[in-house]
Amino acid sequence: GAVVSQHPSRVICKSGTSVKIECRSLDFQATTMFWYRQFPKQSLMLMATSNEGSKATYEQGVEKDKFLINHASLTLSTLTVTSAHPEDSSFYICSARDLGGYNQPQHFGDGTRLSIL
Amino acid sequence: QKEVEQNSGPLSVPEGAIASLNCTYSDRVSQSFFWYRQYSGKSPELIMSIYSNGDKEDGRFTAQLNKASQYVSLLIRDSQPSDSATYLCAVNRAAGNMLTFGGGTRLMVKP
Repeated sequence: GAVVSQHPSRVICKSGTSVKIECRSLDFQATTMFWYRQFPKQSLMLMATSNEGSKATYEQGVEKDKFLINHASLTLSTLTVTSAHPEDSSFYICSARDLGGYNQPQHFGDGTRLSIL
Repeated sequence: QKEVEQNSGPLSVPEGAIASLNCTYSDRVSQSFFWYRQYSGKSPELIMSIYSNGDKEDGRFTAQLNKASQYVSLLIRDSQPSDSATYLCAVNRAAGNMLTFGGGTRLMVKP
């Protein structure tokens, strides 16, 4: 149980392209999903908390107009990197927590490796 | 002081030995604690959760929690080279629903 599906797993595209990443909880409902970014050999960095039916909460320093988050249902959140540039190249990972409460762990998707040429 | 602290390592142990990974946290009212394993280039996967003081065992893994000392640890018995990874400690505060992660400890198990 507790499977989180993230798609696509890898994206290579030209500078200026917008890229959409999907995160789905397959066997549970998630009021809240989380988006992380990880650069090589560095720690996970929380970018934003995605809330179903309301606006996302962004961490300090993360541009909300560049990283658009939509959480349309209890099982789907999307992250769109708008007008991506080479410095946006990174490993993007989503996670979701079961509605069961704050004692529930977060379950991670497999991540999306984004490479901007 | 970071909210969740881990030694970055690398922690190097020989195959078959016990690996001991430690984590301290600053928020005294934290209530749930998790250990994740992250292989290089992959996303984290949950390996243990613990909520009350004491030990919790699952196969070769034992999580230990001491809320008075604000300390949580993970023991890996009979370490295997396949255990080589970065281990992340995560803590949930009493309020809110976001986990706070430590920076991770890199474990290397040498054959």
